[in-house]
Amino acid sequence: RKEVEQDPGPFNVPEGATVAFNCTYSNSASQSFFWYRQDCRKEPKLLMSVYSSGNEDGRFTAQLNRASQYISLLIRDSKLSDSATYLCVVRTSGTYKYIFGTGTRLKVLA
Amino acid sequence: EAGVTQSPTHLIKTRGQQVTLRCSPISGHTSVYWYQQALGLGLQFLLWYDEGEERNRGNFPPRFSGRQFPNYSSELNVNALELEDSALYLCASSLPGTGNEELFFGSGTQLSVL
Repeated sequence: RKEVEQDPGPFNVPEGATVAFNCTYSNSASQSFFWYRQDCRKEPKLLMSVYSSGNEDGRFTAQLNRASQYISLLIRDSKLSDSATYLCVVRTSGTYKYIFGTGTRLKVLA
Repeated sequence: EAGVTQSPTHLIKTRGQQVTLRCSPISGHTSVYWYQQALGLGLQFLLWYDEGEERNRGNFPPRFSGRQFPNYSSELNVNALELEDSALYLCASSLPGTGNEELFFGSGTQLSVL
């Protein structure tokens, strides 16, 4: 089983739609969680950290469920510019080891 | 404030050659991570340096090596290049012990091995 798993997609959604991605992790000692966005052949860029209580940044909401070992990302009112690959990243306590999921590809259609 | 910078942006080499990639972290960051991303694939962890020491290493052969300098910049060296080494090499920096410790990436070096 992979340490961090994501549905590769693609998720094809119309502009204005709401879309949600999940990411599961296997190590219960995981401590920090992040969502990154990566455009084709570019570097990943931090979208948001994921906090235990959940957090929101504009149209983006992230949730953490430690009991079930998954994190989620919700995008509301999708824009064409949201088309990208979304990477789930988990850091393990004590090792500073960051594990990247393979990403979920999102295409927002006009 | 400058972000993570990497050089060169592109490189073309032939099989068997050696290459050195460079990375300067965000000012004040002490940790540097190197990742390999082959076309269409996910990020594979290569190396982690902190305070000048190699702290962790991914599942790569010894011909992948590197170092971190006193100013926290870093080099990644790849010897005896193989065709499958063609990839985007990404460097990231962070400041351990400050909380959530997000990684910040440079724009990468695209290496093509012919």
